[in-house]
Amino acid sequence: AQSVTQLGSHVSVSEGALVLLRCNYSSSVPPYLFWYVQYPNQGLQLLLKYTSAATLVKGINGFEAEFKKSETSFHLTKPSAHMSDAAEYFCAVRGNTGFQKLVFGTGTRLLVSP
Amino acid sequence: KAGVTQTPRYLIKTRGQQVTLSCSPISGHRSVSWYQQTPGQGLQFLFEYFSETQRNKGNFPGRFSGRQFSNSRSEMNVSTLELGDSALYLCASSLGPGQVGDTQYFGPGTRLTVL
Repeated sequence: AQSVTQLGSHVSVSEGALVLLRCNYSSSVPPYLFWYVQYPNQGLQLLLKYTSAATLVKGINGFEAEFKKSETSFHLTKPSAHMSDAAEYFCAVRGNTGFQKLVFGTGTRLLVSP
Repeated sequence: KAGVTQTPRYLIKTRGQQVTLSCSPISGHRSVSWYQQTPGQGLQFLFEYFSETQRNKGNFPGRFSGRQFSNSRSEMNVSTLELGDSALYLCASSLGPGQVGDTQYFGPGTRLTVL
């Protein structure tokens, strides 16, 4: 079974500041991990994914995440926040074989102030 | 390539009615999954179809059903609608098992409101 915990339902940063969104996972098998972003009244857009290759994963819009097995973490970071980054971010996990559903965290709403 | 498309984008129904939502996957994708998103329960998995067969199912009552056609397009149906079925229904497509990462790409969703 897999599960994901996102710490902080809301994170506020100033424009230009570091963005750090936390995600811890639990999985009984080697996991695949994903970050998605959702803008108001839209679906989910894939930011990046970890599929057991490089532990540091780079995604779109300047985001990256590092898979740390010892800490069971997959935190999302961006060096410098932009106003357009304001959205809800979801971390998700799934098993790496067969038909496996995506299990999502509860989401973190990122607020960016000027 | 065109993304995942979902129709309709918005629906308003009354309790007791039934509704059918449609999803067209990305060209070449053979797997379609459905998710329900609500403020209270978050994103929850409904079911996954591959090669016209349901391969995985979430913990939803039998009022929720789906199917997949030979061209990989999928529909989901909700019968005897309840107020609690009001939600954003998201469809996601992927290549299918055996593909590294088997990444799911989401459509814009159908917003269902039950009055």
